[in-house]
Amino acid sequence: DAGVTQSPTHLIKTRGQHVTLRCSPISGHKSVSWYQQVLGQGPQFIFQYYEKEERGRGNFPDRFSARQFPNYSSELNVNALLLGDSALYLCASSPTGGSYGYTFGSGTRLTVV
Amino acid sequence: RKEVEQDPGPFNVPEGATVAFNCTYSNSASQSFFWYRQDCRKEPKLLMSVYSSGNEDGRFTAQLNRASQYISLLIRDSKLSDSATYLCVVNMYGNQFYFGTGTSLTVIP
Repeated sequence: DAGVTQSPTHLIKTRGQHVTLRCSPISGHKSVSWYQQVLGQGPQFIFQYYEKEERGRGNFPDRFSARQFPNYSSELNVNALLLGDSALYLCASSPTGGSYGYTFGSGTRLTVV
Repeated sequence: RKEVEQDPGPFNVPEGATVAFNCTYSNSASQSFFWYRQDCRKEPKLLMSVYSSGNEDGRFTAQLNRASQYISLLIRDSKLSDSATYLCVVNMYGNQFYFGTGTSLTVIP
C-alpha cells in the first residue's frame, strides 16, 4: 500500500511568489494535517482537515491556505512567499481525526530565495 | 508559553545505557499523547502512543502524569540504531497535534 505521498519533493521559489504543495493520504484516511518544520525545530501545526472541512488552524498568517478534495487529497497554498517560509512542509494523514496518531509523508522542502 | 516543551539535549549516551526524555504540555484537556522518532532529514514516524496507565514496547516505556501535565519516554539498553531525534506530541484542541522541539539522542559505541 502506498503511504502518504507529497509533491513536489523539492522546490525553489522567489520571494513574493505563490506556491502550491500537494498531498495524497493513505487510502481510506479521511483526515489530513499540514505542518511546517524549520531546521532544528519540531513540526508546527498549520491546518487540519477532516471530511473536507477545516477542523483546525495553527498560528500562521492568512497567506497560508489549504483545502481538501472529495478524494481526501489536499493542497497547501502559500502566497507572497517570504524568506522565512523556507522549511520542510509535512503532510500527515489519519483514518479518523488523529486519536491514534498520524502517518507522515516525506515532505516538500521549500526554499525561498 | 509553548504548548509542548522538551529538553532539546543533545543526549550522548554509550551503548547499553538507559536514557529518559521528558516533556510537559500546557493544555490540561489534552486527550492523547505520542512519541515520534525523526531521523535526520526524514519524516517523523510514530514510535508509540502514551496511555494513562503507562505502556511498554520492548525496550521503550512511556509514562503519562496528567496531574503534572508531563510525559516521559525511557529507553533501556540503548542501541546505535536508536540515535535520532525524539519528538513529544500532544493532541490538543480537537485533534490538532502539537510537537515539542525534539530531543536529540546519539548512542555512542
